[in-house]
Amino acid sequence: SYVLTQPPSVSVAPGKTARITCGGNNIGSKSVHWYQQKPGQAPILVIYYDSDRPSGIPERFSGSNSGNTATLTISRVEAGDEADYYCQVWDSSSDHPGVFGGGTKLTVL
Amino acid sequence: EVQLVESGGGLVQPGGSLRLSCEASGFTFSSYWMSWVRQAPGKGLEWVANIKQDGSEKYYVDSVKGRFTISRDNAKNSLYLQMNSLRAEDTAVYYCARILIAAAGPSDYWGQGTLVTVSS
Repeated sequence: SYVLTQPPSVSVAPGKTARITCGGNNIGSKSVHWYQQKPGQAPILVIYYDSDRPSGIPERFSGSNSGNTATLTISRVEAGDEADYYCQVWDSSSDHPGVFGGGTKLTVL
Repeated sequence: EVQLVESGGGLVQPGGSLRLSCEASGFTFSSYWMSWVRQAPGKGLEWVANIKQDGSEKYYVDSVKGRFTISRDNAKNSLYLQMNSLRAEDTAVYYCARILIAAAGPSDYWGQGTLVTVSS
């Protein structure tokens, strides 16, 4: 089955840029979606199809995907960005195609 | 306003059964793929199952195949997850989610979740 690897944690100072990676075999050939989840809340979609941003999501959130790594970038990080972030792909070659990464805890210092 | 409201969670003994429901409103339910995603306490998200608009295609994570069944009733704007032969490792908050565009699409709306606890 397809595996997505995320760093367990990323720390960044307010106003700086956070980059959260999602590694997978040839992930650049797949569409990657990113979710933000705060404690006790349901996930929220922040980036879809690698780099599209839903309405209501700040332009500070961006995404890229190439080779074996997809990246969620959060510019000018704010305290309110502190959350868990998950990447997701659909592996159409598998008979159990839905896959989430293990999640990354973003800490704003 | 899009709303997804899950219900049916609770405490069940190992080997028991439970049926989760998700009532949708604010959009044309029959036009969207739908999904169940779960999250064990203190753990990450785990995709469980997807179902096509007309119910003709269904996909499951390996760990629930043969035990869980996803279904929908478009006339009632409702999504279901029938869970049989429950195990302790099925303990989780179960979210229903709307999938945008196609099976591989993102989940753009999520319910608040319903907690399933499997314990004796």
